[in-house]
Amino acid sequence: NAGVTQTPKFQVLKTGQSMTLQCAQDMNHNSMYWYRQDPGMGLRLIYYSASEGTTDKGEVPNGYNVSRLNKREFSLRLESAAPSQTSVYFCASRPQGRVEKLFFGSGTQLSVL
Amino acid sequence: DQQVKQNSPSLSVQEGRISILNCDYTNSMFDYFLWYKKYPAEGPTFLISISSIKDKNEDGRFTVFLNKSAKHLSLHIVPSQPGDSAVYFCAASAIFQGGSEKLVFGKGTKLTVNP
Repeated sequence: NAGVTQTPKFQVLKTGQSMTLQCAQDMNHNSMYWYRQDPGMGLRLIYYSASEGTTDKGEVPNGYNVSRLNKREFSLRLESAAPSQTSVYFCASRPQGRVEKLFFGSGTQLSVL
Repeated sequence: DQQVKQNSPSLSVQEGRISILNCDYTNSMFDYFLWYKKYPAEGPTFLISISSIKDKNEDGRFTVFLNKSAKHLSLHIVPSQPGDSAVYFCAASAIFQGGSEKLVFGKGTKLTVNP
């Protein structure tokens, strides 16, 4: 049972380059999320998708776009990477219902030079 | 503004003793609280939760206490084990106007349990 799978695990970009972080879950969860974790900042929500076909902004959406490709997959795109986007990115999914827990992927370490 | 605060960035305890991790929140609309544990190079994993209708929830060595009047919750780990060494995130959830849920994480506390 893979759970939440993120690719790649590590990435180095130059300022201005673009890339897409991939996320897939095999638990048939409705909701999916993208978070970033920075030192001393905790986990901050970038975007989320409450169900297939819907996406909404979180706390820190600027510089990012997302696509909920189907129920399994939720990708995060950086169109023009900036050094401020250097971070660890976590994808998460959750069944329907707010008291359900989040299941996180293992993260993508992104460095923008 | 920081709605969920974990004021201690780090905590060090001896194996076998109690670990107490604290969390404060500012918004009284939060009514569901969770703790996540994170090891290096891994994603956070759910540890324990508590609803605002309770003041205590216990799961094995882990107990979460909620003091609504003080807007404070704490996670107790008894007895602490070296494998408990990790970063612990407190999170608070609320349903706001329009039915949208907001889940806010604290900055985390790094727990080190020394053998």
